[in-house]
Amino acid sequence: SQELEQSPQSLIVQEGKNLTINCTSSKTLYGLYWYKQKYGEGLIFLMMLQKGGEEKSHEKITAKLDEKKQQSSLHITASQPSHAGIYLCGADINDYKLSFGAGTTVTVRA
Amino acid sequence: KAGVTQTPRYLIKTRGQQVTLSCSPISGHRSVSWYQQTPGQGLQFLFEYFSETQRNKGNFPGRFSGRQFSNSRSEMNVSTLELGDSALYLCASSLGGGEGTDTQYFGPGTRLTVL
Repeated sequence: SQELEQSPQSLIVQEGKNLTINCTSSKTLYGLYWYKQKYGEGLIFLMMLQKGGEEKSHEKITAKLDEKKQQSSLHITASQPSHAGIYLCGADINDYKLSFGAGTTVTVRA
Repeated sequence: KAGVTQTPRYLIKTRGQQVTLSCSPISGHRSVSWYQQTPGQGLQFLFEYFSETQRNKGNFPGRFSGRQFSNSRSEMNVSTLELGDSALYLCASSLGGGEGTDTQYFGPGTRLTVL
């Protein structure tokens, strides 16, 4: 079973619309990472959140960490074709090991 | 700085053979982690090395092994290949040296196909 649950599994969004991806942990989160992956390629680091309530933004992507809920969300504003890909959350569950969610596939329709 | 590099990028092997994959971390990074990614199981942690020592290991059979050299470069080896070993193998590097896990930067991966 996955220690990190991502939802939704996939989503299709019209270009220009907003989208949100959630990542919920079954264990206490000490650090939460968001990555983006193009199919069959490596992961690109987006953001890391460490403290409860922390929120970070980069360009049109915002990530938040709710420590009490053991949950993080990734929000993309005014989506563009370049936002298409697989988004994965990863967490420091065990020493020197990242556990990952199953990923959310984002399709942006023109 | 150059990113994480992995060689080869693609590999085709037959069952029973063995394979060695290579990873060169970002300059200055001393921790290297390996992951296996498949459509069914997602991204699974294999092992992590720091200063030539394995600090953590995932739940994989002993056919999967790795090592790290003094220049932080790492190799992983899979012996007696099985069809189920077909996957994208990803290497990630980080500074290491602190407590717990720090930000990992991934290479482009090696696509292994076992026939």
